[in-house]
Amino acid sequence: EAQVTQNPRYLITVTGKKLTVTCSQNMNHEYMSWYRQDPGLGLRQIYYSMNVEVTDKGDVPEGYKVSRKEKRNFPLILESPSPNQTSLYFCASSPLEPWGTQYFGPGTRLLVL
Amino acid sequence: AQTVTQSQPEMSVQEAETVTLSCTYDTSESDYYLFWYKQPPSRQMILVIRQEAYKQQNATENRFSVNFQKAAKSFSLKISDSQLGDAAMYFCAYRTDQGGSEKLVFGKGTKLTVNP
Repeated sequence: EAQVTQNPRYLITVTGKKLTVTCSQNMNHEYMSWYRQDPGLGLRQIYYSMNVEVTDKGDVPEGYKVSRKEKRNFPLILESPSPNQTSLYFCASSPLEPWGTQYFGPGTRLLVL
Repeated sequence: AQTVTQSQPEMSVQEAETVTLSCTYDTSESDYYLFWYKQPPSRQMILVIRQEAYKQQNATENRFSVNFQKAAKSFSLKISDSQLGDAAMYFCAYRTDQGGSEKLVFGKGTKLTVNP
């Protein structure tokens, strides 16, 4: 089954404790992206990657890191989480050509105390 | 920078009736893609419909159709014969590759309630 998986689905942590949210897709897509969703703000792009070893900032990259060492994986790293990073996070992937339909993961709900 | 505006934070419709959700966007590009995504209470993001800007014909997917007005930069979603399962948040999104970077910009969403 074609899918994007994220782990963990739910996470409670404390300020300053490094964490990683994994994202994996099995569709051989070149493009992968991370979004955060906050009430009243919709989805905002954090980082994206157009292929292995190619990453770029989205609209809200501060406090986040990513890496793309393999085509299927695109982990999101929070080196020192803060309470303002409490949010719902989505990973998504799509082929570059024809670009268009992004397949979303199920979301990761993060609470930073 | 591209922006997407959904002016209706909430909408409601009676089951079996028709409802239209509004979306406007701001861009200087001539070629782009527009999308409507649905987010039910499960929080899963589901693509409803997409429209390529170079196509004049409005996209349709079963009970879902769009009214794409390129000159007005408007992209509304019409849901016909509304069903209880249509209740969800709906997000309009714009795809840009300005400067060689691929980005998807979302509106803030419209919460649709379907009344039985």
